[in-house]
Amino acid sequence: NAGVTQTPKFRILKIGQSMTLQCTQDMNHNYMYWYRQDPGMGLKLIYYSVGAGITDKGEVPNGYNVSRSTTEDFPLRLELAAPSQTSVYFCASEREGGNQPQHFGDGTRLSIL
Amino acid sequence: GENVEQHPSTLSVQEGDSAVIKCTYSDSASNYFPWYKQELGKRPQLIIDIRSNVGEKKDQRIAVTLNKTAKHFSLHITETQPEDSAVYFCAASDDFGNEKLTFGTGTRLTIIP
Repeated sequence: NAGVTQTPKFRILKIGQSMTLQCTQDMNHNYMYWYRQDPGMGLKLIYYSVGAGITDKGEVPNGYNVSRSTTEDFPLRLELAAPSQTSVYFCASEREGGNQPQHFGDGTRLSIL
Repeated sequence: GENVEQHPSTLSVQEGDSAVIKCTYSDSASNYFPWYKQELGKRPQLIIDIRSNVGEKKDQRIAVTLNKTAKHFSLHITETQPEDSAVYFCAASDDFGNEKLTFGTGTRLTIIP
């Protein structure tokens, strides 16, 4: 199993540009999450999904959108990139069944200039 | 919502000594407390977790203790080794059912050879 795969690994965007961060998992996990990690800080939850077709906001959803059309994929969309969105983004998945371990991808390092 | 505080933010210990990292949480309904280790430039990885029906859990050199009354939990690493150098994050579950985690801000542990 590849686990959780994120693409791209690095990206530089100009202010106002849009992009989609891709996340896919091959563990058939129902729960998926997007976090951002700012330097020297913990992980902040952006959006999460408990299954295909179901998404909900986390702690810091402004400026982002998500979709979950399949169990495997959970893309994160930035519509109008702003410098405040410069961060490392992690996708994670979790098996359903009461507080199971979350499995993280390798992250996407995004810089907005 | 849940609030998790983590101390200290940095910790240096001599190789072979013990390290202790402490976290407090605010929501008495939280029932799951994982610890993640993140090496430089890598993904967070679960190292140990504890549920609220257990007071202590041990896995080789790593142990976690939980005091539900005081709402705090701690990570203990004994006989520290250079490979223990990393950032450690505690977390607490927000609600039973959708398993949203709230993370602490992290502790950078440095093992001095």
